[in-house]
Amino acid sequence: QKEVEQDPGPLSVPEGAIVSLNCTYSNSAFQYFMWYRQYSRKGPELLMYTYSSGNKEDGRFTAQVDKSSKYISLFIRDSQPSDSATYLCALGGDYKLSFGAGTTVTVRA
Amino acid sequence: DAGVTQSPTHLIKTRGQQVTLRCSPKSGHDTVSWYQQALGQGPQFIFQYYEEEERQRGNFPDRFSGHQFPNYSSELNVNALLLGDSALYLCASSLYHRQSNEQFFGPGTRLTVL
Repeated sequence: QKEVEQDPGPLSVPEGAIVSLNCTYSNSAFQYFMWYRQYSRKGPELLMYTYSSGNKEDGRFTAQVDKSSKYISLFIRDSQPSDSATYLCALGGDYKLSFGAGTTVTVRA
Repeated sequence: DAGVTQSPTHLIKTRGQQVTLRCSPKSGHDTVSWYQQALGQGPQFIFQYYEEEERQRGNFPDRFSGHQFPNYSSELNVNALLLGDSALYLCASSLYHRQSNEQFFGPGTRLTVL
């Protein structure tokens, strides 16, 4: 069993839709929860960072963490074509990040 | 504020050769971590350098080695290249004592092994 499982996608949504991305994990030692956005052939860009259960909002992005269920989510409201990218969940312990495989999202104009 | 930089952008090598990749961390950061990202996969942790020492290592063979310099920049060396080493190599920088594990990535070096 992988440490981090991410819904594989791909997802294709119309402009303005809500995008929902999810990851589950098995190691309860993870303390930090992140979402990265990666455009094709580029490095990952940190989108959201949190360390507690609950919701965190930043503009059109909402990160949700449920430590009891070992489940994290990212919601993108009012999606735009510029949101088309691969989204990676990343979980941190004391030194390294463990990533999901990524979900590729396409927002159709 | 300069972000994480990596060089070269692309590299093509043949099996058995050796390669060196370079990374400069974000201004103010003292820790560099290296990751390997195969096509269609998430990044996999290779190792982390702080104070010019390898602090932690992932599940990678000894063919993968590194170095950190006094100015915090870092190199990743891979010996005896295999076809399976073809990947995007990512460098991430962070602050060691911040304990938050917030890591910022560079654009990566795409290595192709023929």
